[in-house]
Amino acid sequence: GAVVSQHPSRVICKSGTSVKIECRSLDFQATTMFWYRQFPKKSLMLMATSNEGSKATYEQGVEKDKFLINHASLTLSTLTVTSAHPEDSSFYICSAPRARMAEAFFGQGTRLTVV
Amino acid sequence: EDQVTQSPEALRLQEGESSSLNCSYTVSGLRGLFWYRQDPGKGPEFLFTLYSAGEEKEKERLKATLTKKESFLHITAPKPEDSATYLCAVSQSSSNTGKLIFGQGTTLQVKP
Repeated sequence: GAVVSQHPSRVICKSGTSVKIECRSLDFQATTMFWYRQFPKKSLMLMATSNEGSKATYEQGVEKDKFLINHASLTLSTLTVTSAHPEDSSFYICSAPRARMAEAFFGQGTRLTVV
Repeated sequence: EDQVTQSPEALRLQEGESSSLNCSYTVSGLRGLFWYRQDPGKGPEFLFTLYSAGEEKEKERLKATLTKKESFLHITAPKPEDSATYLCAVSQSSSNTGKLIFGQGTTLQVKP
Protein backbone atom coordinates (compact mmCIF):
# COMPACT_ATOMS: atom_id res chain seq x y z
CA GLY A 1 0.00 0.00 0.00
CA ALA A 2 0.91 3.66 -0.27
CA VAL A 3 3.42 4.89 2.28
CA VAL A 4 3.16 8.54 1.25
CA SER A 5 -0.27 10.04 0.76
CA GLN A 6 -0.89 13.27 -1.13
CA HIS A 7 -4.16 15.20 -1.16
CA PRO A 8 -6.02 16.35 -3.17
CA SER A 9 -5.34 14.38 -6.34
CA ARG A 10 -7.00 17.01 -8.50
CA VAL A 11 -7.94 20.63 -7.89
CA ILE A 12 -9.33 23.36 -10.06
CA CYS A 13 -9.14 26.90 -8.75
CA LYS A 14 -9.76 30.40 -9.97
CA SER A 15 -6.91 32.70 -10.84
CA GLY A 16 -5.83 34.74 -7.80
CA THR A 17 -6.85 32.21 -5.18
CA SER A 18 -4.56 30.01 -3.08
CA VAL A 19 -4.43 26.23 -3.01
CA LYS A 20 -2.99 23.97 -0.33
CA ILE A 21 -1.62 20.51 -1.07
CA GLU A 22 -0.90 18.05 1.73
CA CYS A 23 1.73 15.32 1.84
CA ARG A 24 1.69 12.74 4.63
CA SER A 25 4.04 9.90 5.44
CA LEU A 26 1.76 7.10 6.61
CA ASP A 27 3.90 4.62 8.53
CA PHE A 28 7.17 6.42 9.13
CA GLN A 29 8.44 9.79 10.29
CA ALA A 30 10.00 12.06 7.70
CA THR A 31 12.22 14.90 8.84
CA THR A 32 12.70 15.77 5.19
CA MET A 33 10.22 15.81 2.35
CA PHE A 34 10.63 17.00 -1.21
CA TRP A 35 8.28 18.86 -3.53
CA TYR A 36 8.49 18.43 -7.29
CA ARG A 37 6.75 19.88 -10.28
CA GLN A 38 6.31 17.90 -13.47
CA PHE A 39 5.43 19.30 -16.88
CA PRO A 40 3.77 17.10 -19.53
CA LYS A 41 6.12 14.41 -20.83
CA LYS A 42 8.96 15.83 -18.77
CA SER A 43 10.88 14.60 -15.78
CA LEU A 44 10.50 15.77 -12.20
CA MET A 45 11.81 19.21 -11.33
CA LEU A 46 12.74 19.66 -7.68
CA MET A 47 11.15 22.78 -6.28
CA ALA A 48 12.12 22.66 -2.63
CA THR A 49 13.25 20.56 0.29
CA SER A 50 10.88 20.65 3.25
CA ASN A 51 12.55 20.39 6.66
CA GLU A 52 10.59 19.56 9.78
CA GLY A 53 10.75 22.40 12.26
CA SER A 54 12.73 24.75 10.06
CA LYS A 55 12.50 26.74 6.87
CA ALA A 56 12.28 25.02 3.52
CA THR A 57 15.19 25.14 1.09
CA TYR A 58 14.13 26.31 -2.35
CA GLU A 59 15.82 25.50 -5.64
CA GLN A 60 17.13 28.31 -7.78
CA GLY A 61 14.38 30.05 -9.69
CA VAL A 62 11.54 28.91 -7.44
CA GLU A 63 9.64 31.78 -5.82
CA LYS A 64 9.44 31.09 -2.11
CA ASP A 65 6.66 33.64 -1.62
CA LYS A 66 4.51 31.95 -4.25
CA PHE A 67 5.12 28.38 -3.14
CA LEU A 68 4.83 28.35 0.65
CA ILE A 69 6.01 25.18 2.35
CA ASN A 70 5.24 24.20 5.92
CA HIS A 71 6.56 21.05 7.60
CA ALA A 72 4.88 21.29 10.97
CA SER A 73 5.15 17.67 12.02
CA LEU A 74 7.20 14.59 11.26
CA THR A 75 4.44 13.19 9.08
CA LEU A 76 3.00 16.22 7.29
CA SER A 77 4.29 18.77 4.83
CA THR A 78 2.10 21.24 2.97
CA LEU A 79 2.65 23.22 -0.22
CA THR A 80 0.50 26.31 -0.70
CA VAL A 81 0.38 27.87 -4.13
CA THR A 82 -0.48 31.48 -3.42
CA SER A 83 -2.27 33.82 -5.81
CA ALA A 84 -2.35 31.10 -8.41
CA HIS A 85 -2.21 31.93 -12.09
CA PRO A 86 -2.79 29.74 -15.16
CA GLU A 87 0.96 29.28 -15.60
CA ASP A 88 1.04 27.55 -12.20
CA SER A 89 -1.12 24.78 -13.64
CA SER A 90 0.95 21.63 -13.38
CA PHE A 91 1.39 18.24 -11.73
CA TYR A 92 2.87 18.59 -8.23
CA ILE A 93 4.38 15.59 -6.46
CA CYS A 94 5.83 15.14 -2.99
CA SER A 95 8.25 12.51 -1.77
CA ALA A 96 9.75 11.38 1.50
CA PRO A 97 12.68 9.06 2.20
CA ARG A 98 11.80 6.36 4.72
CA ALA A 99 15.15 6.90 6.38
CA ARG A 100 18.11 9.14 5.83
CA MET A 101 19.73 8.20 2.53
CA ALA A 102 17.14 5.47 1.88
CA GLU A 103 14.85 5.30 -1.13
CA ALA A 104 12.20 7.99 -1.37
CA PHE A 105 8.52 7.16 -1.73
CA PHE A 106 6.28 9.41 -3.71
CA GLY A 107 2.75 10.64 -3.26
CA GLN A 108 0.12 10.11 -5.91
CA GLY A 109 0.55 13.64 -7.22
CA THR A 110 -1.80 16.62 -7.47
CA ARG A 111 -3.05 17.92 -10.79
CA LEU A 112 -3.58 21.67 -10.35
CA THR A 113 -5.56 23.57 -12.94
CA VAL A 114 -5.90 27.33 -12.58
CA VAL A 115 -8.69 28.88 -14.63
CA GLU B 1 28.12 19.26 -13.31
CA ASP B 2 26.13 16.38 -11.82
CA GLN B 3 23.92 14.87 -14.46
CA VAL B 4 21.72 11.87 -15.21
CA THR B 5 20.95 10.93 -18.82
CA GLN B 6 18.53 8.22 -19.86
CA SER B 7 18.25 6.57 -23.25
CA PRO B 8 16.35 5.95 -25.32
CA GLU B 9 13.74 8.64 -24.73
CA ALA B 10 11.03 6.33 -26.01
CA LEU B 11 10.98 2.60 -26.70
CA ARG B 12 8.35 0.48 -28.42
CA LEU B 13 8.49 -3.28 -28.00
CA GLN B 14 6.36 -6.19 -29.00
CA GLU B 15 5.12 -8.35 -26.16
CA GLY B 16 7.88 -10.82 -25.32
CA GLU B 17 10.63 -8.76 -26.94
CA SER B 18 13.33 -8.24 -24.31
CA SER B 19 15.35 -5.03 -24.18
CA SER B 20 17.34 -2.72 -21.91
CA LEU B 21 17.02 0.87 -20.77
CA ASN B 22 20.15 2.89 -20.05
CA CYS B 23 20.91 5.43 -17.33
CA SER B 24 24.27 7.19 -17.52
CA TYR B 25 25.37 9.37 -14.65
CA THR B 26 28.10 11.77 -13.71
CA VAL B 27 28.00 12.67 -10.05
CA SER B 28 30.60 13.66 -7.53
CA GLY B 29 30.26 10.74 -5.18
CA LEU B 30 27.40 8.33 -5.78
CA ARG B 31 25.48 7.34 -2.69
CA GLY B 32 22.74 5.43 -4.47
CA LEU B 33 21.00 4.95 -7.80
CA PHE B 34 17.24 4.49 -7.89
CA TRP B 35 14.81 3.21 -10.51
CA TYR B 36 11.17 4.24 -10.49
CA ARG B 37 8.18 3.45 -12.65
CA GLN B 38 5.63 6.18 -13.38
CA ASP B 39 2.22 5.63 -14.90
CA PRO B 40 0.39 8.59 -16.50
CA GLY B 41 -1.15 10.91 -13.91
CA LYS B 42 0.45 9.07 -10.99
CA GLY B 43 3.43 9.56 -8.74
CA PRO B 44 6.59 7.48 -9.32
CA GLU B 45 6.58 3.97 -7.86
CA PHE B 46 9.83 2.74 -6.33
CA LEU B 47 11.46 -0.25 -8.04
CA PHE B 48 15.11 -0.65 -7.05
CA THR B 49 18.04 0.88 -5.21
CA LEU B 50 21.63 0.09 -6.22
CA TYR B 51 24.57 1.25 -4.15
CA SER B 52 27.77 -0.14 -5.64
CA ALA B 53 29.21 -1.20 -8.99
CA GLY B 54 28.48 -4.82 -9.76
CA GLU B 55 25.27 -4.87 -7.77
CA GLU B 56 22.18 -6.41 -9.39
CA LYS B 57 18.56 -6.57 -8.29
CA GLU B 58 15.56 -8.34 -9.79
CA LYS B 59 11.82 -8.06 -9.54
CA GLU B 60 9.58 -10.15 -11.78
CA ARG B 61 10.54 -9.28 -15.38
CA LEU B 62 12.87 -6.43 -14.37
CA LYS B 63 16.55 -6.59 -13.53
CA ALA B 64 18.68 -3.58 -12.63
CA THR B 65 22.45 -3.50 -12.83
CA LEU B 66 25.04 -0.89 -11.93
CA THR B 67 28.53 0.01 -13.12
CA LYS B 68 30.69 2.98 -12.18
CA LYS B 69 29.23 5.06 -15.00
CA GLU B 70 25.80 3.68 -15.80
CA SER B 71 22.89 1.50 -14.86
CA PHE B 72 20.75 -0.73 -17.01
CA LEU B 73 17.17 -1.79 -16.49
CA HIS B 74 16.68 -5.05 -18.34
CA ILE B 75 13.14 -6.06 -19.23
CA THR B 76 12.71 -9.71 -20.04
CA ALA B 77 9.70 -10.85 -22.08
CA PRO B 78 7.72 -7.67 -21.38
CA LYS B 79 3.96 -7.58 -21.20
CA PRO B 80 1.62 -4.69 -22.12
CA GLU B 81 1.22 -3.90 -18.41
CA ASP B 82 4.92 -3.01 -18.28
CA SER B 83 4.13 0.05 -20.41
CA ALA B 84 5.09 3.12 -18.37
CA THR B 85 7.79 5.76 -18.01
CA TYR B 86 10.86 4.51 -16.20
CA LEU B 87 12.84 7.08 -14.25
CA CYS B 88 16.39 6.84 -13.01
CA ALA B 89 17.68 9.02 -10.18
CA VAL B 90 20.88 9.37 -8.16
CA SER B 91 21.66 10.69 -4.72
CA GLN B 92 25.00 12.22 -3.90
CA SER B 93 27.20 11.36 -0.97
CA SER B 94 27.65 15.09 -0.41
CA SER B 95 23.94 15.58 0.19
CA ASN B 96 22.72 15.12 3.75
CA THR B 97 19.06 15.27 2.77
CA GLY B 98 18.76 12.48 0.24
CA LYS B 99 18.02 14.90 -2.58
CA LEU B 100 17.63 13.06 -5.90
CA ILE B 101 18.78 14.08 -9.37
CA PHE B 102 16.44 12.61 -11.99
CA GLY B 103 16.99 11.67 -15.59
CA GLN B 104 14.39 12.61 -18.16
CA GLY B 105 12.90 9.14 -18.28
CA THR B 106 12.30 6.44 -20.87
CA THR B 107 8.72 5.92 -22.00
CA LEU B 108 8.16 2.26 -22.75
CA GLN B 109 5.25 0.99 -24.81
CA VAL B 110 4.70 -2.74 -25.08
CA LYS B 111 2.29 -3.82 -27.77
CA PRO B 112 0.38 -7.10 -27.57
